[in-house]
Amino acid sequence: DAGVIQSPRHEVTEMGQEVTLRCKPISGHDYLFWYRQTMMRGLELLIYFNNNVPIDDSGMPEDRFSAKMPNASFSTLKIQPSEPRDSAVYFCASSLAGRGTEAFFGQGTRLTVV
Amino acid sequence: GQSLEQPSEVTAVEGAIVQINCTYQTSGFYGLSWYQQHDGGAPTFLSYNALDGLEETGRFSSFLSRSDSYGYLLLQELQMKDSASYFCAVRLYNQGGKLIFGQGTELSVKP
Repeated sequence: DAGVIQSPRHEVTEMGQEVTLRCKPISGHDYLFWYRQTMMRGLELLIYFNNNVPIDDSGMPEDRFSAKMPNASFSTLKIQPSEPRDSAVYFCASSLAGRGTEAFFGQGTRLTVV
Repeated sequence: GQSLEQPSEVTAVEGAIVQINCTYQTSGFYGLSWYQQHDGGAPTFLSYNALDGLEETGRFSSFLSRSDSYGYLLLQELQMKDSASYFCAVRLYNQGGKLIFGQGTELSVKP
């Protein structure tokens, strides 16, 4: 398997524009996580899915953020409208169900909102 | 709420031993995991402690004490390539498998 695939790797956009980040998890994995990483806040969990169903979106900062998982092989994180404070690296990770199963991370999307 | 506390940075010299601590305030988790992240890269899994005690994997060892709400990652025979950020993490079984991370410890290995 190619691992978790995220696109794009880098995104520069203007404030107010819509941004869509994409993630393809490892085939067969039950869980998909979206994290945001900044120097100040570390690795924040935004939302996660189990079997394509959103389980906990309490980490989503505000209504401008939304995430979907229409099928087991694809998820999106959308920011509309984007703001400069959304600039961060966004990671997608997937894992199997189970007690200690490791999470596999994609290479991340570095988002810059100017 | 749940939280995991780690030192923000640690510095050590090549060949030395370093311990990165993680204290947590959470309950109902399966075990304590450790991840490594090199600058500009993705976090990668290092180790997992389901039970109290020490787990060894090559130069790296990890420890968990649930009674003390404490764990650590021990890195021996440090190499320059070990310079990275290290995160402790827990999977919460009373919250549907939620995976949360500490703030991370930046390890700098000096010659």
